[in-house]
Amino acid sequence: GAVVSQHPSRVICKSGTSVKIECRSLDFQATTMFWYRQFPKKSLMLMATSNEGSKATYEQGVEKDKFLINHASLTLSTLTVTSAHPEDSSFYICSARLLAGTGELFFGEGSRLTVL
Amino acid sequence: GENVEQHPSTLSVQEGDSAVIKCTYSDSASNYFPWYKQELGKGPQLIIDIRSNVGEKKDQRIAVTLNKTAKHFSLHITETQPEDSAVYFCAADTNAGKSTFGDGTTLTVKP
Repeated sequence: GAVVSQHPSRVICKSGTSVKIECRSLDFQATTMFWYRQFPKKSLMLMATSNEGSKATYEQGVEKDKFLINHASLTLSTLTVTSAHPEDSSFYICSARLLAGTGELFFGEGSRLTVL
Repeated sequence: GENVEQHPSTLSVQEGDSAVIKCTYSDSASNYFPWYKQELGKGPQLIIDIRSNVGEKKDQRIAVTLNKTAKHFSLHITETQPEDSAVYFCAADTNAGKSTFGDGTTLTVKP
């Protein structure tokens, strides 16, 4: 199956700094990638849909200036958490599909962000 | 929009027993229903899926059933093993490619 790689897997940063998380499709091209946030023992909350070559589509309630998404190539999307605060600490996961429309989502391994 | 409800939130079974997790959805336009398994500290992985033109699908110890009329679908795991212990998520997808996830079921298989 297709592989989606996420980096870093864990990151600890100080309050006020920015953190970038990368999501790469290793063996396929993904025009669309999805970013989720997951709280402990909770479901996946879709934050935004990342579209290659255009602006990301953010879900209601997600601050686009806080969570910057860039999808500069068909294999890479990045999520930057700007001016991070302790409440931004969470598990962030990305996913992508092989084809547009419905079908299996391939998830990254997730990135655990801890803001001190 | 779509609303997916998943039950139970936790499930504990003895090794060798069967486990059943149920989901309901609200949007009749949803046509793809995957089930994902998530192990601790990892991203979810697809274990089985079903499309709206099929009523049942089986893959070894795992099966999924879909009732379009009632808008519910279920995951069945037979002969459970300790390595089946994980969090399981159902999802409902529309043609637009948007997935709505259930809240997850934590399955514990006791040896």
